[in-house]
Amino acid sequence: EVQLVESGGVVVQPGGSLRLSCAASGFTFDDYAMHWVRQAPGKGLEWVSLISWDGGSTYYADSVKGRFTISRDNSKNSLYLQMNSLRAEDTALYYCAKDVKRGYSYEGYFDYWGQGTLVTVSS
Amino acid sequence: DIQMTQSPSSLSASVGDRVTITCQASQDISNYLNWYQQKPGKAPKLLIYDASNLETGVPSRFSGSGSGTDFTFTISSLQPEDIATYYCQQYDNLALTFGGGTKVEIK
Repeated sequence: EVQLVESGGVVVQPGGSLRLSCAASGFTFDDYAMHWVRQAPGKGLEWVSLISWDGGSTYYADSVKGRFTISRDNSKNSLYLQMNSLRAEDTALYYCAKDVKRGYSYEGYFDYWGQGTLVTVSS
Repeated sequence: DIQMTQSPSSLSASVGDRVTITCQASQDISNYLNWYQQKPGKAPKLLIYDASNLETGVPSRFSGSGSGTDFTFTISSLQPEDIATYYCQQYDNLALTFGGGTKVEIK
């Protein structure tokens, strides 16, 4: 059974930093690209970032480019999101999600999601 | 970025009704369009991929159609367990974007 478990969400002050983690199990982690998607309270879904199977390619939404960094450790079956220069508008539930495509590429959509970890940016 | 305009933003229908949601892309995205269902307090679930393909295990009352810029998602006979918010998502390019969502309620 595929499982994605996010952690690391806390209350942080504007301008602060935070690192989210996602522990993956139930599938061959290094066969798949992975994503972060967020959802502000009561709002819709916003894609944040994508990382290829080997970490060699990364993509970001314009809203986080230059502030967030996605990474992965395939030896630990883990995905990460380093978040710097946090703003109030980054307040959201952050989901990690698995790309549907197996192999050295990606499709850009998601067949499994975690339950999310809540990041609140507030003074 | 490609903008996805979804309508309506909410709807109320009776059990057994046919429900239709539309999604319009700001440019041609071929069939690179998916539909997700999100129940309250839960993560989204993929229902339809490539505009019209039903994900494994999803009931056949759900369907999708369209290509280019105009897409439709249909529930042929609304059931109580279909109460959720539905989102379209394009993957024509890697600035992935979602529609604003449609909240479906029972009348």
